Amino acid sequence: EVQLVESGGGLVQPGGSLRLSCAASGFTFRNYWMHWVRQVPGKGLVWVSRINSDGSSTSYADSGKGRFTISRDNAKNTLYLQMNSLRAEDTAVYYCARATGPDPFDYWGQGTLVTVSS
Amino acid sequence: DIQMTQSPSTLSASVGDRVTITCRASQNINNWLAWYQQKPGKAPKFLIYKASSLESGVPSRFSGSGSGTEFTLTISSLQPDDFATYYCQQYNSYSYTFGQGTKLEIK
Repeated sequence: EVQLVESGGGLVQPGGSLRLSCAASGFTFRNYWMHWVRQVPGKGLVWVSRINSDGSSTSYADSGKGRFTISRDNAKNTLYLQMNSLRAEDTAVYYCARATGPDPFDYWGQGTLVTVSS
Repeated sequence: DIQMTQSPSTLSASVGDRVTITCRASQNINNWLAWYQQKPGKAPKFLIYKASSLESGVPSRFSGSGSGTEFTLTISSLQPDDFATYYCQQYNSYSYTFGQGTKLEIK
């Protein structure tokens, strides 16, 4: 069974940093692209970042460029999102999701809530 | 950036109704369009890819159509489990934009 389990969310002050993790199981993690998507509670889905299967290529939405870094450890079957210089508007539930190459996201984790507030 | 616009934002319907949700892209995305269903407090569920291809395990009452800039998601006969929010997503040229969502409510 495919499982994606996010962790690392919590309360952080504006300007602070947080690293999210997504532990994958039930599939060959190194064969898949991975994404981060966020959702302000009660609002819509917003794509955040993408990494290809071997980690050699990444892309970011404008909102995270220069502040967020996506990475992966295929030996540990884990995806990461390093978030720096956090702002109140980064407050959201962050989901990791799997994709077969540049395709839509067929499995999603349950999400982890990030709250940026003083 | 490609913008995705869904309509309506909210749709009230009854069990057994046929409903259609529309998604428009700000530029041609060929058929690189997906649909997701999300229930409160849950992760999105993948329904349709390439505008009209049903993901394995998704009931056949769901269907998608369209190409270019205009797309539709149709549920042929609403079931109680279908009341949720639906999102379209374009995945053209390595960018991934979602529509703002359509909330399907019980009338």
